[in-house]
Amino acid sequence: NAGVTQTPKFQVLKTGQSMTLQCAQDMNHEYMSWYRQDPGMGLRLIHYSVGAGITDQGEVPNGYNVSRSTTEDFPLRLLSAAPSQTSVYFCASTGTGREGYTFGSGTRLTVV
Amino acid sequence: SQQGEEDPQALSIQEGENATMNCSYKTSINNLQWYRQNSGRGLVHLILIRSNEREKHSGRLRVTLDTSKKSSSLLITASRAADTASYFCATDARTGFQKLVFGTGTRLLVSP
Repeated sequence: NAGVTQTPKFQVLKTGQSMTLQCAQDMNHEYMSWYRQDPGMGLRLIHYSVGAGITDQGEVPNGYNVSRSTTEDFPLRLLSAAPSQTSVYFCASTGTGREGYTFGSGTRLTVV
Repeated sequence: SQQGEEDPQALSIQEGENATMNCSYKTSINNLQWYRQNSGRGLVHLILIRSNEREKHSGRLRVTLDTSKKSSSLLITASRAADTASYFCATDARTGFQKLVFGTGTRLLVSP
């Protein structure tokens, strides 16, 4: 089924560990974004990309890196995990923006 | 910082009743979107309304936009138990749709 695929679905990290959250879409969308969702906070934009090779920061970029080497993939890297990064992470993509974003099912990350 | 604030934070109704939720935002926008999130799942795009539109319909959904008051409302008519979810508004400021800013959401419970 066409859509946005996120892996893993669940992850527990120790403080200081690094990891990469994977995101892939098969809709040939140019625009991709990473959000984090915390209770009572809605979704906040971490990083976004407007095409392969082009990324930019969102509202809460500190502690995260991204790259976009292909149209399909947009991984999110946590450099040194901290408890404040405990959250649910969503990847989303859109073609033109007018049809809205397609979201993945999320990665629930716990940092202990 | 959050661009949108939804009101009410939570809403409980009976099947068949109408549900109205409101969204207020802070800056000028190009588009406003509404998304639904079922518990533990990703967000699903419902409807997009442009800044030069005042009202839009999609099935049982009716969205209004008042740019002079910087507010929008989502009406779900003849609610069903399956409409139970959280609903978020999202705006793209004049910087573009690649930087969606979400509100904090309204939790809707529809009882049979």
